[in-house]
Amino acid sequence: EAQVTQNPRYLITVTGKKLTVTCSQNMNHEYMSWYRQDPGLGLRQIYYSMNVEVTDKGDVPEGYKVSRKEKRNFPLILESPSPNQTSLYFCASSPQSNQPQHFGDGTRLSIL
Amino acid sequence: EDQVTQSPEALRLQEGESSSLNCSYTVSGLRGLFWYRQDPGKGPEFLFTLYSAGEEKEKERLKATLTKKESFLHITAPKPEDSATYLCAVPSTYNFNKFYFGSGTKLNVKP
Repeated sequence: EAQVTQNPRYLITVTGKKLTVTCSQNMNHEYMSWYRQDPGLGLRQIYYSMNVEVTDKGDVPEGYKVSRKEKRNFPLILESPSPNQTSLYFCASSPQSNQPQHFGDGTRLSIL
Repeated sequence: EDQVTQSPEALRLQEGESSSLNCSYTVSGLRGLFWYRQDPGKGPEFLFTLYSAGEEKEKERLKATLTKKESFLHITAPKPEDSATYLCAVPSTYNFNKFYFGSGTKLNVKP
């Protein structure tokens, strides 16, 4: 089954404790992206990747890091999480950037 | 500045009561407008892509249309299972790899 898998689905952690949210797709897509979704603000793009080793900033990249060492994986790293990063996070992928994206089911992060 | 605005924020309809959702955008040189449906606890699911003014796409009770500055998602004779949040998205004017999403319209269809 074609899918985008995110882990964990839920996480409660504390300020400053480094965390990684993993994202994996099994569709051989070149384009991958991370979004955060906050009430009233919609989906905002954090980072995206055009292909292996090619990443770039979205609209809200501050406080986040990404890497794309393999085509299927695109982890999101919060090196020193803060409460304002409490949000619902989505990973997405598509064959190319100008094509519809397939989304994972989301990761709800709470940073205390 | 690139911007995507959706209206209304929320819409309550009776089953069978047709209506339209609006997505207006300010990007130049549009390279596609995407409609998604999002159910609670799930990621957005793709519905339609529109590329040029005048284009229309249909799927069951949904029809998406596009003008130079906005798109409409028309819902004909909706059913309760059409209840969801509907999102639209466009690529940035300056970087086609960056996307801007509207904040969505939450549709509730009562039986």
